[in-house]
Amino acid sequence: EAGVVQSPRYKIIEKKQPVAFWCNPISGHNTLYWYRQNLGQGPELLIRYENEEAVDDSQLPKDRFSAERLKGVDSTLKIQPAELGDSAVYLCASSLERGVTDTQYFGPGTRLTVL
Amino acid sequence: GDSVTQMEGPVTLSEEAFLTINCTYTATGYPSLFWYVQYPGEGLQLLLKATKADDKGSNKGFEATYRKETTSFHLEKGSVQVSDSAVYFCALSDHTGGFKTIFGAGTRLFVKA
Repeated sequence: EAGVVQSPRYKIIEKKQPVAFWCNPISGHNTLYWYRQNLGQGPELLIRYENEEAVDDSQLPKDRFSAERLKGVDSTLKIQPAELGDSAVYLCASSLERGVTDTQYFGPGTRLTVL
Repeated sequence: GDSVTQMEGPVTLSEEAFLTINCTYTATGYPSLFWYVQYPGEGLQLLLKATKADDKGSNKGFEATYRKETTSFHLEKGSVQVSDSAVYFCALSDHTGGFKTIFGAGTRLFVKA
C-alpha cells in the first residue's frame, strides 16, 4: 500500500514569492491534515479536511495561507506571499476516519526555506 | 487548553540500556494518547497508542501506560538498540470542544554501540 505522498521535498524561495505544496493521501482515507513543524518542535495543525470540507482551519493564517482538497482526494497548500518566518517543514497526514483513536499516517514533508 | 510536555533531549544511551522518555499532558476531556517516531530522513510513524485509562500500548519492545491519575504516558524500553536512534513525539487527540491533535516538542534519542 502506498503511503502519503508529498511534493516537492525541498523548496527554497525568496520572501514575498508564492509557493505551493501538494499532498496525495493514502487511498480511502477520508481525513487529511496539514501541519507545520518548526525546527526543534512538534507538528502544529494548520488545517484538517473531512473529505472535501475544511472542518478545522482555526490555526491557518488566512491572510497568506490557503488550501484546497478537490474531490476529497489530493490537496494543495499555498502561501502567498511567503515570509521569512514561514521557513519550516510542512507535513501532510491522513487517517481513515476522524476519530480520536485513529492513527495518522504522515508523508515525508516539504522543507521550505524562505530567504 | 490542552497541551503535551515531554522531556527535553537529546537523550544519549549505550546499547542495551533502559530507556524512559517522560510525557505528561493536560486535557479537558478524555484523550487518546500516542507515541510517534521519526527516524532520520523519514516521516513520522505511529509507534504505539492507548485510548483509555490504564491501557498499555506496546510495539517493537516499547511500552507506555495511560495513567489518568498522573496524566502521564511515559515511553519505556528495556534494552535499546542503535537502530532506535530517532526523535520521539508524544501526542494526544481529543474531541472535547472540537477535535484536536496536539504534539509534544519531541525528544531526540541517540544510542551508541
